[in-house]
Amino acid sequence: KAGVTQTPRYLIKTRGQQVTLSCSPISGHRSVSWYQQTPGQGLQFLFEYFSETQRNKGNFPGRFSGRQFSNSRSEMNVSTLELGDSALYLCASSWSTSYNEQFFGPGTRLTVL
Amino acid sequence: QQQVKQSPQSLIVQKGGISIINCAYENTAFDYFPWYQQFPGKGPALLIAIRPDVSEKKEGRFTISFNKSAKQFSLHIMDSQPGDSATYFCACQNNNDMRFGAGTRLTVKP
Repeated sequence: KAGVTQTPRYLIKTRGQQVTLSCSPISGHRSVSWYQQTPGQGLQFLFEYFSETQRNKGNFPGRFSGRQFSNSRSEMNVSTLELGDSALYLCASSWSTSYNEQFFGPGTRLTVL
Repeated sequence: QQQVKQSPQSLIVQKGGISIINCAYENTAFDYFPWYQQFPGKGPALLIAIRPDVSEKKEGRFTISFNKSAKQFSLHIMDSQPGDSATYFCACQNNNDMRFGAGTRLTVKP
């Protein structure tokens, strides 16, 4: 069974731009969660989607948004990028909700210049 | 508000030794406590998890000890191996929230 895949793996953007990251969950998994990982703040929960609906949201500004498609694939968008958005963005999937075993992807390393 | 405190920040252990990482939480509504292992360039992987109705769970060389009254839990790695060198994160979850500890970088020296 293929694992969670994230594209792209690396991304360089400049301040003010927007970016879209993609996550394909494990086949059969309906929940996708997004996390931001930085050396200073550690792992922080962004949001969770389940059956195309946002189920939970972390404490991030509205510049961070996401969506989930009918095939459970998910995208995360960050608008008006700031230097502080530089981070590893991780996606995790689980078969029901994020509060069961989650399987993480390798992440997308975003650098904002 | 730091809801999950993890210690130590880094740990160096000799091969064959015991590695112990601790986490403390504040929110008694958490009901699922996993530990994740992360290697450089990889996403975290679930190592072992416990629910608060048991005080200990063992899987191979990995054991979680859970103290509900103290709101603390710990990961014990027995017979630590160089391949265990990674960053370990504790987490606390319930249906509405998920918080991670800051991580512990474990180095096992051969």
